[in-house]
Amino acid sequence: EAGVVQSPRYKIIEKKQPVAFWCNPISGHNTLYWYLQNLGQGPELLIRYENEEAVDDSQLPKDRFSAERLKGVDSTLKIQPAELGDSAVYLCASSQGSGRKTEAFFGQGTRLTVV
Amino acid sequence: AQKVTQAQTEISVVEKEDVTLDCVYETRDTTYYLFWYKQPPSGELVFLIRRNSFDEQNEISGRYSWNFQKSTSSFNFTITASQVVDSAVYFCALSEPYSGAGSYQLTFGKGTKLSVIP
Repeated sequence: EAGVVQSPRYKIIEKKQPVAFWCNPISGHNTLYWYLQNLGQGPELLIRYENEEAVDDSQLPKDRFSAERLKGVDSTLKIQPAELGDSAVYLCASSQGSGRKTEAFFGQGTRLTVV
Repeated sequence: AQKVTQAQTEISVVEKEDVTLDCVYETRDTTYYLFWYKQPPSGELVFLIRRNSFDEQNEISGRYSWNFQKSTSSFNFTITASQVVDSAVYFCALSEPYSGAGSYQLTFGKGTKLSVIP
């Protein structure tokens, strides 16, 4: 069974440029998450989707970040314009449901460097 | 507020030594779940174990074992006879509720980087 696939693995951009990350979750997983992981820190939730609906985006900086999950499968996270402080790893995860004991499966992440 | 503390930032051990990674959590929930994930250099977080707050039995899986003590709010992870392949960052996480009926999210600790030296 294929895991969560993310692309690109690495991205280097200049500040003020736009950037987009793509995620393909595990087949059949209706819940999709985007996490931000700063260096030396644990992942922090940015947004969670149940099918195509964003059910929690309270931690997503909406002035420059946006996300979509068309047809309830693949998802894209966009930053426009990028700032130096956005340099981090962006992790996508998926799960079947989002209950208390739900185990999330993670992709390898996209490491973003803003210069 | 929910909180997970992994006080050990980095640990180095020589291969075949045993090592324990500490995790202390805070929660007001009476029912909750705790998780351990491993993040190898390749980047993806790999699920290791899930434990619910009503089950305080220790668990062993091969060289891995977990000690859950509700009285001290700790969920420690021990690797016996460590191997180089165990080198990774290990995260402890707590499942906490958030807006939306029956919705939960994982709150992660800052992780412990384990280096196993051959």
